[in-house]
Amino acid sequence: GENVEQHPSTLSVQEGDSAVIKCTYSDSASNYFPWYKQELGKRPQLIIDIRSNVGEKKDQRIAVTLNKTAKHFSLHITETQPEDSAVYFCAATWGGGFKTIFGAGTRLFVKA
Amino acid sequence: DAEITQSPRHKITETGRQVTLACHQTWNHNNMFWYRQDLGHGLRLIHYSYGVQDTNKGEVSDGYSVSRSNTEDLPLTLESAASSQTSVYFCASSELAGEQFFGPGTRLTVL
Repeated sequence: GENVEQHPSTLSVQEGDSAVIKCTYSDSASNYFPWYKQELGKRPQLIIDIRSNVGEKKDQRIAVTLNKTAKHFSLHITETQPEDSAVYFCAATWGGGFKTIFGAGTRLFVKA
Repeated sequence: DAEITQSPRHKITETGRQVTLACHQTWNHNNMFWYRQDLGHGLRLIHYSYGVQDTNKGEVSDGYSVSRSNTEDLPLTLESAASSQTSVYFCASSELAGEQFFGPGTRLTVL
């Protein structure tokens, strides 16, 4: 069925360390993979995305990698800062269309 | 500036009542989505629409309905509210398979 699995559910790192969040999806037709950040009490906001014709994308301290063969994609945050503390959601489009299925989220804590 | 708004922001209702949550966007996006957010479940898709007169069921559509009579609005109706529908509801819109812009959310409590 339609599913995006996300791990870990909680991640605690020291300021300056790297954080990695991993997701897997089951629909081989998925072609768009966004990552959203949600701060407490706020709405989710896009931080980075990747399309199926690209293996890696980077934006300053944030990078996303995609392995279509393994149906696996990951978010990498380097040099973490306290303001990176939030819930992060991965997502994948479904059935070749625009419908999007989200992972359950990862709560990231960055300790100063 | 273009935006997406939801109303009300907070709602308390009783079991069995009909409730409608409004979503309005000025991005002129064809795609609109309704999600519910519960602890441990992330964002689960309730209904979505690809354009006027088009509506589709998502993962958790039972007990909910939507209608799309124009590009800007996608109201979500709970036909007979149940305590299990207590949640935070987010509306979103997008153009093609791209970034979804989320509204501020509606916190619904069903007593």
